[in-house]
Amino acid sequence: NAGVTQTPKFQVLKTGQSMTLQCAQDMNHEYMSWYRQDPGMGLRLIHYSVGAGITDQGEVPNGYNVSRSTTEDFPLRLLSAAPSQTSVYFCASREDRTSNNSPLHFGNGTRLTVT
Amino acid sequence: EDKVVQSPLSLVVHEGDTVTLNCSYEVTNFRSLLWYKQEKKAPTFLFMLTSSGIEKKSGRLSSILDKKELFSILNITATQTGDSAVYLCAPMNRDDKIIFGKGTRLHILP
Repeated sequence: NAGVTQTPKFQVLKTGQSMTLQCAQDMNHEYMSWYRQDPGMGLRLIHYSVGAGITDQGEVPNGYNVSRSTTEDFPLRLLSAAPSQTSVYFCASREDRTSNNSPLHFGNGTRLTVT
Repeated sequence: EDKVVQSPLSLVVHEGDTVTLNCSYEVTNFRSLLWYKQEKKAPTFLFMLTSSGIEKKSGRLSSILDKKELFSILNITATQTGDSAVYLCAPMNRDDKIIFGKGTRLHILP
């Protein structure tokens, strides 16, 4: 089992460029989410999805789009990158919405720098 | 607006000490609370708490939830240098929205 796989590991963008951060999980998890982590800020929720075809906004959704066309994949799109989006991005998934014993599993992160 | 406050933000202790990390929350339709440890990379799971007053233990770590007073604590006894990390708490609501606190940075001196 690969778990939660994020690509790329590192990315440098210029202001105004667009890109997609990829996230895939092979555990058949219903729930997937994206967080960003900035120094001293913990993890802030960007978007999340409770199943294929369903997405919801988190705490800091502006500047980011997501879609969930399959259970396995949950890409995060930056349409026009800004320096304020420089951060480490984590994708996480969770097996069973109904379970009280189903924690979040994290990918290894993507470090994004916008110049 | 949902809120999570962890305290202290930073803590330095000597090896062998016992530490208590605090997490208070205000979350609409609260369901569960998770604790994570983060070293250099992705957070790793420690505990998931759903019921009040029931302590969960894993080795030297334990945690408990108080749903009436809206807080949780994470205890680490006989600390070791390998416990140095950022500890994050994350309440989850019934819509599966999971938000994190800013974390407590724990440093254990040898």
